[in-house]
Amino acid sequence: DVKVTQSSRYLVKRTGEKVFLECVQDMDHENMFWYRQDPGLGLRLIYFSYDVKMKEKGDIPEGYSVSREKKERFSLILESASTNQTSMYLCASSLASGTYNEQFFGPGTRLTVL
Amino acid sequence: AQTVTQSQPEMSVQEAETVTLSCTYDTSESDYYLFWYKQPPSRQMILVIRQEAYKQQNATENRFSVNFQKAAKSFSLKISDSQLGDAAMYFCAYRSAPSGATNKLIFGTGTLLAVQP
Repeated sequence: DVKVTQSSRYLVKRTGEKVFLECVQDMDHENMFWYRQDPGLGLRLIYFSYDVKMKEKGDIPEGYSVSREKKERFSLILESASTNQTSMYLCASSLASGTYNEQFFGPGTRLTVL
Repeated sequence: AQTVTQSQPEMSVQEAETVTLSCTYDTSESDYYLFWYKQPPSRQMILVIRQEAYKQQNATENRFSVNFQKAAKSFSLKISDSQLGDAAMYFCAYRSAPSGATNKLIFGTGTLLAVQP
């Protein structure tokens, strides 16, 4: 079974702190994604990566950056956390080729910025 | 740009009954995929069912089936014989077809389904 893990289920940070959210997948997937989930807004794509060291902005990249130094690991970085970044963050991964390229999701990290 | 709309923020169904969740989408593409994902409380999101736009036959997975109306751009999910374990947030999602596409999903806002015993 594909397994996508995220470093923390719950995280509390202070405004201005630098925050790292880590995601690891164990199925050698090329594509990895970071989403933000907010009530009434669904999931919105922040960044995605289609290969090591490759990344593309999603729909809401402002205030975030990412890093992918190894194929299995994709990090989301909040350079200076703000209260409006309080949210649930979901990581996902998928194969790059194939018919469906189903995305497999991690359990999520609920981040609170005080 | 493609959009996905779920007009029912919350739904409720009695155990063993049937419920239909609505989803509409907007696209100018002719080839794409549609998905329903389930997010149980405090658990990981999982794929429920998927549909290729070029297939006329509606997808079915056990108690889950879709009603795909391409011309109307509608993609509803029917859950038959509802069970307590079906209680979850359900997301409809769209993805452009492969051949160079980046495999990005576009999600609706979700429908929270409650199952009453």
